[in-house]
Amino acid sequence: NAGVTQTPKFRVLKTGQSMTLLCAQDMNHEYMYWYRQDPGMGLRLIHYSVGEGTTAKGEVPDGYNVSRLKKQNFLLGLESAAPSQTSVYFCASRTGTKGGTQYFGPGTRLTVL
Amino acid sequence: GENVEQHPSTLSVQEGDSAVIKCTYSDSASNYFPWYKQELGKGPQLIIDIRSNVGEKKDQRIAVTLNKTAKHFSLHITETQPEDSAVYFCAATSGWGKLQFGAGTQVVVTP
Repeated sequence: NAGVTQTPKFRVLKTGQSMTLLCAQDMNHEYMYWYRQDPGMGLRLIHYSVGEGTTAKGEVPDGYNVSRLKKQNFLLGLESAAPSQTSVYFCASRTGTKGGTQYFGPGTRLTVL
Repeated sequence: GENVEQHPSTLSVQEGDSAVIKCTYSDSASNYFPWYKQELGKGPQLIIDIRSNVGEKKDQRIAVTLNKTAKHFSLHITETQPEDSAVYFCAATSGWGKLQFGAGTQVVVTP
């Protein structure tokens, strides 16, 4: 099992450009999450999904969109990147049972100039 | 919503000594408390967790304690080794998925 994988690992964008981050998991997990990690602020939830075809807003959703067309994939989109979106982005997944462990991907480091 | 505070933000210990990280939470409905270790350039990895019906859990050199009345939980690492150097995050959830993380503790183990 590869677990949770993220593509790409690094990306540099110019302000106003768009991009999509891909998260894939091979553990047949129901729930998937996107977090951003900034120095001194821990991990903050952007959006999450409790199943194929469903998405919901987290703590910091503004400027991001997501889609979960297939159970194993969760896409995070930036329509018009801003310097404030410079961060490390982590995807996670877990089973649908109560209190299930979240497993994290290796992260994507995004810089917006 | 849930709010988790974590202290200290940095912790320097000598190899062989113990390290303790403390977290407090605000939502009395929270019932699952995982701890994650994040090494440089990697994603967080679960190292231990505890549920609200248990007061203490131990796994080799790592232990976690939970005080529901006071709404705080702690991570204890004994006999620290250089490979314990990392950032540690506590988290809390009421069980249906959304973890609220603390800000993290940078642990440095010096030989």
